[in-house]
Amino acid sequence: GENVEQHPSTLSVQEGDSAVIKCTYSDSASNYFPWYKQELGKRPQLIIDIRSNVGEKKDQRIAVTLNKTAKHFSLHITETQPEDSAVYFCAASRNNDMRFGAGTRLTVKP
Amino acid sequence: DTEVTQTPKHLVMGMTNKKSLKCEQHMGHRAMYWYKQKAKKPPELMFVYSYEKLSINESVPSRFSPECPNSSLLNLHLHALQPEDSALYLCASSQLNDRVPGELFFGEGSRLTVL
Repeated sequence: GENVEQHPSTLSVQEGDSAVIKCTYSDSASNYFPWYKQELGKRPQLIIDIRSNVGEKKDQRIAVTLNKTAKHFSLHITETQPEDSAVYFCAASRNNDMRFGAGTRLTVKP
Repeated sequence: DTEVTQTPKHLVMGMTNKKSLKCEQHMGHRAMYWYKQKAKKPPELMFVYSYEKLSINESVPSRFSPECPNSSLLNLHLHALQPEDSALYLCASSQLNDRVPGELFFGEGSRLTVL
């Protein structure tokens, strides 16, 4: 089955700085790569996703890049704000089998 | 309606009890999922139903029994659980397309404590 690795496990940045989280996956047949944000006590919420036929996608301060050859994808958050503090999960999906990375706890210090 | 509704929000049960978790969605999604999430861990896939048929069972112990009565409802029947089964149980749904996976919409979860 799919194995998703995520780094770093914790990330602390100053407000206004950029944050980068990286993931690798094992199953070359995976074709959908979402990123979820989970605040304490809340459900995971989709923040951005990318499909295997696209190399990069951007939505305001958030961008995702995908390298299918190397089987890795990254989340980039620019101009971070305190409300970006949360746990971020990457995931990889083949058909409807979605597996999550271990998560990154992002702290944005004001 | 873009909500996945789970009940109950909290459940405390003994190891000899039988209880059920319920999940409902009205987005027309034909894939429904159960994930288990322990504290400070990622969601862990348990079951996937596609067109009301069980398509993925991640070797989950038989004390967890899923049921999909129709395309809008998903249940998880619990029996003879262990304290280590205490966790947040998340239901999710997505559109179903063999070639193009869809976004998972999560419910708020049912927080289960087994005494």
